[in-house]
Amino acid sequence: AQSVTQLGSHVSVSEGALVLLRCNYSSSVPPYLFWYVQYPNQGLQLLLKYTSAATLVKGINGFEAEFKKSETSFHLTKPSAHMSDAAEYFCAVSDGVLSSGGGADGLTFGKGTHLIIQP
Amino acid sequence: NAGVTQTPKFQVLKTGQSMTLQCAQDMNHNSMYWYRQDPGMGLRLIYYSASEGTTDKGEVPNGYNVSRLNKREFSLRLESAAPSQTSVYFCASSFPRDPQGGELFFGEGSRLTVL
Repeated sequence: AQSVTQLGSHVSVSEGALVLLRCNYSSSVPPYLFWYVQYPNQGLQLLLKYTSAATLVKGINGFEAEFKKSETSFHLTKPSAHMSDAAEYFCAVSDGVLSSGGGADGLTFGKGTHLIIQP
Repeated sequence: NAGVTQTPKFQVLKTGQSMTLQCAQDMNHNSMYWYRQDPGMGLRLIYYSASEGTTDKGEVPNGYNVSRLNKREFSLRLESAAPSQTSVYFCASSFPRDPQGGELFFGEGSRLTVL
């Protein structure tokens, strides 16, 4: 079964500094990988996804992530943090179809990283 | 576009009471899901429905039941609420196209407290 590990339940950076949120996965097959963001009292919103087309994936709000198969990693970065980036970030790996006869998209989520932006 | 709509947004129950969380999507998605989110635990899948007329257990189904009422609606029922079910519940939907998996679209969540 797939699994996801997010290193650091809380990450604090200064406004304007580099944001680096770490995600490592385990998967028996080439995975699809996702980063979601959750702003306070809201649902999850897709930031970006890796589906094997390119190892460097660009997402919304200036975020990007690089798939490194040798390191089984999919770390999320942003060159310059903004106060509006403060949120919870979740890495997820696709389980592929959950069942036969129609299928469903199964995602296994990491436990999340709370990003704090210091003024 | 409404996307995925959940009701209610907040609910307080007493132990042993029952309630139903409602979810509707207007994106013509085939699959729908219920997750719960707890601090430090991430999101865990409770039940899912791959298509209209089918439902399956996820990682943490105990204490819950679901109904896929039609293609748009997927409800989650707590028959006898327990304090351990205090959580934020998220409904999601997707239109599976790729055998390796695709993205989910989430509602804004329902915050449930069981006293």
